[in-house]
Amino acid sequence: NAGVTQTPKFQVLKTGQSMTLQCAQDMNHNSMYWYRQDPGMGLRLIYYSASEGTTDKGEVPNGYNVSRLNKREFSLRLESAAPSQTSVYFCASIMNVGGYEQYFGPGTRLTVT
Amino acid sequence: AQSVTQLGSHVSVSEGALVLLRCNYSSSVPPYLFWYVQYPNQGLQLLLKYTTGATLVKGINGFEAEFKKSETSFHLTKPSAHMSDAAEYFCAVRGTGFQKLVFGTGTRLLVSP
Repeated sequence: NAGVTQTPKFQVLKTGQSMTLQCAQDMNHNSMYWYRQDPGMGLRLIYYSASEGTTDKGEVPNGYNVSRLNKREFSLRLESAAPSQTSVYFCASIMNVGGYEQYFGPGTRLTVT
Repeated sequence: AQSVTQLGSHVSVSEGALVLLRCNYSSSVPPYLFWYVQYPNQGLQLLLKYTTGATLVKGINGFEAEFKKSETSFHLTKPSAHMSDAAEYFCAVRGTGFQKLVFGTGTRLLVSP
């Protein structure tokens, strides 16, 4: 099992450009999450998906959109990148219904200039 | 709402010394508590968790934590630090609503020879 995988590992964008961060898990998990990590602020939830076909906003959803393409894949899209979106982005998935233990991907380091 | 406070953004210890990382939480529901570790340029990995039952929880790499309801604390300890323990550590509590975690801001552990 690869666990949770994310692509790309690194990305540099110019202000106003768009991009999609990809996440996939091969553990048959129902729920998936997108976080951003900023120095001194811990991890903040952007969006989550309780199951295939559903998505919900987290703590900091502005400027982002998500797609739960199927049970395995959950993508995060920045339509018009801003310097404030410079961050490290992590995808995670939950082991089972009713559980809280999250499994994390390796992260995508995004810089917006 | 649930919240987590981690005292000290940086903790420095010598190799072989006791490691103590502090975590206090606030929760309106019975807390589920977690410690995660993040090594440089990697995702988060679960160290240990408390849900119910025994209040002293043992995790990987020799770490343990004790849930103290009266003190609303879940401090992480290790009797003897190793150089390989140098990393960032995050405490988390289950949030309200669907299977969410609320993370603290993290504590960076520095281990000197």
